[in-house]
Amino acid sequence: SQTIHQWPATLVQPVGSPLSLECTVEGTSNPNLYWYRQAAGRGLQLLFYSVGIGQISSEVPQNLSASRPQDRQFILSSKKLLLSDSGFYLCAWSVFGGRTEAFFGQGTRLTVV
Amino acid sequence: AQSVSQHNHHVILSEAASLELGCNYSYGGTVNLFWYVQYPGQHLQLLLKYFSGDPLVKGIKGFEAEFIKSKFSFNLRKPSVQWSDTAEYFCAVNAKPGAGSYQLTFGKGTKLSVIP
Repeated sequence: SQTIHQWPATLVQPVGSPLSLECTVEGTSNPNLYWYRQAAGRGLQLLFYSVGIGQISSEVPQNLSASRPQDRQFILSSKKLLLSDSGFYLCAWSVFGGRTEAFFGQGTRLTVV
Repeated sequence: AQSVSQHNHHVILSEAASLELGCNYSYGGTVNLFWYVQYPGQHLQLLLKYFSGDPLVKGIKGFEAEFIKSKFSFNLRKPSVQWSDTAEYFCAVNAKPGAGSYQLTFGKGTKLSVIP
């Protein structure tokens, strides 16, 4: 069966420090991968999605970037965190194509202080 | 760009009341539609999905949703809610804008509070 791992679960980082959140999927090949940010009252905001290695699409201009160095690995990064980067970040995967639901990781609560 | 609108931010109901949560999307092509639920302290779970066929789809826990293509809507319903339905509900659309790849877009969510 397929599983998705996302870590860390919580993270407290100072302003200006770098960020690296990692997400890996097991049990499937060539998945679509997504990074979302969830904020109260604002739902899930799609940040990045990827349909293959090295292929990243950005939905919202921001202080973050994403990379997909391997087929089942998706990384969310920042060179210098801002206070406004605080939030709940979710990684998700789906089978390549449209007729499939997405499966979510447990999320990372990021607090920038 | 495709978008998903959930018009109710917070709905408060008494147990046994009927529920209908609205969802409208803006994409005109072929769409795949979903409702997800997030119970307090838990991660997102799929409630139901629509790809094609019968526009009335049934999901888990007595929920159902109706796809009305002419109205670009996919409203979620339940005849009689329970306290355990207290959660946040998200509508989502997976569609392929133009020649690009499929994108999964969520609405802002509707928080449901059921009063015992």
